[in-house]
Amino acid sequence: QVQLVQSGAEVKKPGASVKVSCKASGYTFTSYGISWVRQAPGQGLEWMGWISADKGHTNYAQNLQGRVTMTTDTSTSTAYMELRSLRSDDTAVYYCARDPLKVTLELDYWGQGTLVTVSS
Amino acid sequence: SSELTQDPAVSVALGQTVRITCQGDSLRSYYASWYQQKPGQAPVFVMYGKNNRPSGIPDRFSGSTSGNTASLTITGAQAEDEADYYCNSRDSSGDHYVFGTGTKVTVL
Repeated sequence: QVQLVQSGAEVKKPGASVKVSCKASGYTFTSYGISWVRQAPGQGLEWMGWISADKGHTNYAQNLQGRVTMTTDTSTSTAYMELRSLRSDDTAVYYCARDPLKVTLELDYWGQGTLVTVSS
Repeated sequence: SSELTQDPAVSVALGQTVRITCQGDSLRSYYASWYQQKPGQAPVFVMYGKNNRPSGIPDRFSGSTSGNTASLTITGAQAEDEADYYCNSRDSSGDHYVFGTGTKVTVL
């Protein structure tokens, strides 16, 4: 069965960086991409970007360009999302999701989410 | 602010029909996809394209689109359908994705 297992909760100070991992199993990792979506407390969903697992092509949301980097390690079927220069409004649950990279966003399997808290 | 607008909340009597709408200019060019999210859980993918349900989604869920509006309809709403629903589509540039503002569905 398809599973995406994310790393544990993080607490960071403003200005620091965080790197969240997402280990995939149950499917051919390189046949799909991974999208990252975040959700601030009590707020809606925000698409952050995607990465193609095979070639590492990326597409980041405009408002995160320059602060976010998405990577994959095909040897371990793991995707990573690094966010730098953290601010308090980056406090959110971060989700990874399997993405077939179609014209519409079809995120059929999701990780359990990783809470990132940014606080001094 | 999101380029896809949804009503903040709707309610439906048990067994009745509810339609959740999503408005945005990009919907004239791109189909929407829809996600259901219950408190404390990850979203669940429930609809995509013209009217396509992912595997395991009950057939009481259906989708449609007209002009700049995409709709998700639940025919015969069940208690377990109470959740937040988010649409998603391309942004105005067509290069990125954006989620709608979300609709909280209450089943009475």
